[in-house]
Amino acid sequence: ELKVEQNPLFLSMQEGKNYTIYCNYSTTSDRLYWYRQDPGKSLESLFVLLSNGAVKQEGRLMASLDTKARLSTLHITAAVHDLSATYFCAVDFGNEKLTFGTGTRLTIIP
Amino acid sequence: NAGVTQTPKFQVLKTGQSMTLQCAQDMNHNSMYWYRQDPGMGLRLIYYSASEGTTDKGEVPNGYNVSRLNKREFSLRLESAAPSQTSVYFCASSPGVFQETQYFGPGTRLLVL
Repeated sequence: ELKVEQNPLFLSMQEGKNYTIYCNYSTTSDRLYWYRQDPGKSLESLFVLLSNGAVKQEGRLMASLDTKARLSTLHITAAVHDLSATYFCAVDFGNEKLTFGTGTRLTIIP
Repeated sequence: NAGVTQTPKFQVLKTGQSMTLQCAQDMNHNSMYWYRQDPGMGLRLIYYSASEGTTDKGEVPNGYNVSRLNKREFSLRLESAAPSQTSVYFCASSPGVFQETQYFGPGTRLLVL
């Protein structure tokens, strides 16, 4: 079965702290996407990771992909309030669709 | 550029009623998609259109039909709405099928009573 699992599902963290969101997937893929969704809003593309070892950074967010471990991480550095959102990873298993994780709801507390 | 637009934003239906959700993109993308989002389940693909003139089933196509009217427009039809179809529906587009970033519309919130 093709599965994408994220953890944690909920994360509450203080401003200024660092944390990592994990995205595990069930079978071989070298194409993984990260999206952000604000409450009541649509999804916004954050990162596209297209090979083993790929690393992308934008501001306080950094995403990486380890295809051998079937793992992607989204690292948050020195969190600020406006990073509060739900973050989704999605994997292309080569079956003509993206499989989404259930999302990680991140709340940054002042 | 408006990007991906969807209408309506909100809709309430009674069981058995029909409706069509409209989606349009102005980015000259080849591929378009319809997803539904339910609490705790991420997004699930209903149908997609890899290019103008083609449509294919996704993960949860039952109860839905689609039409790729032209390169810009991709509509989703519920022929006989059921309470299980209460959800938020997102349309998305991408330059090519699946292997590129997808751009999402604002969503349609549908309640079926």
